[in-house]
Amino acid sequence: GDSVTQMEGPVTLSEEAFLTINCTYTATGYPSLFWYVQYPGEGLQLLLKATKADDKGSNKGFEATYRKETTSFHLEKGSVQVSDSAVYFCALSPYNQGGKLIFGQGTELSVKP
Amino acid sequence: SAVISQKPSRDICQRGTSLTIQCQVDSQVTMMFWYRQQPGQSLTLIATANQGSEATYESGFVIDKFPISRPNLTFSTLTVSNMSPEDSSIYLCSVEERLPGYNEQFFGPGTRLTVL
Repeated sequence: GDSVTQMEGPVTLSEEAFLTINCTYTATGYPSLFWYVQYPGEGLQLLLKATKADDKGSNKGFEATYRKETTSFHLEKGSVQVSDSAVYFCALSPYNQGGKLIFGQGTELSVKP
Repeated sequence: SAVISQKPSRDICQRGTSLTIQCQVDSQVTMMFWYRQQPGQSLTLIATANQGSEATYESGFVIDKFPISRPNLTFSTLTVSNMSPEDSSIYLCSVEERLPGYNEQFFGPGTRLTVL
């Protein structure tokens, strides 16, 4: 079945460092891909998305590109801030399956000043 | 964007009992989903609840254990029946909104359940 694999955490970075969180997926057809973020004490919220191959999603300085040839959707940010400390989830929505989401295991990011 | 509330926000329950979690949305939505997030793990879809039809359960989840109601387009309940400590999790509901060009899911704040 469809699945999502994320790099394991926790990831600890210094402020202004470059961030990459790897995400690969297995799916039939053409899923939509998402990154969700869960800040401490808050609910899950959508960070960015891409709905077809070669789409680039971006938000709040984060970017991810839908790479069908490598079945990847890696999250990147050029300069992280302390306020980016959160748990990041990669997810996919299988094509034509009514909007369900399949999540990766989550990666905890801690940014130190 | 949809605003979702859940009740209760947390509860501590004894094994063998049942708990009903409520999910209220501030707008009418067709599709609602219930997820479970076990401690330190990712979210797993329990079932999809569409108004006017029976809930559709994912592999590993059954209606007898997790009965769901969806009486209207703004409300749903999930019951965790005959609980055991393994049911200790955060339970989240989500709704799908159709926005221009894409669909987006919005999540409730979650219900943190501890079973003793």
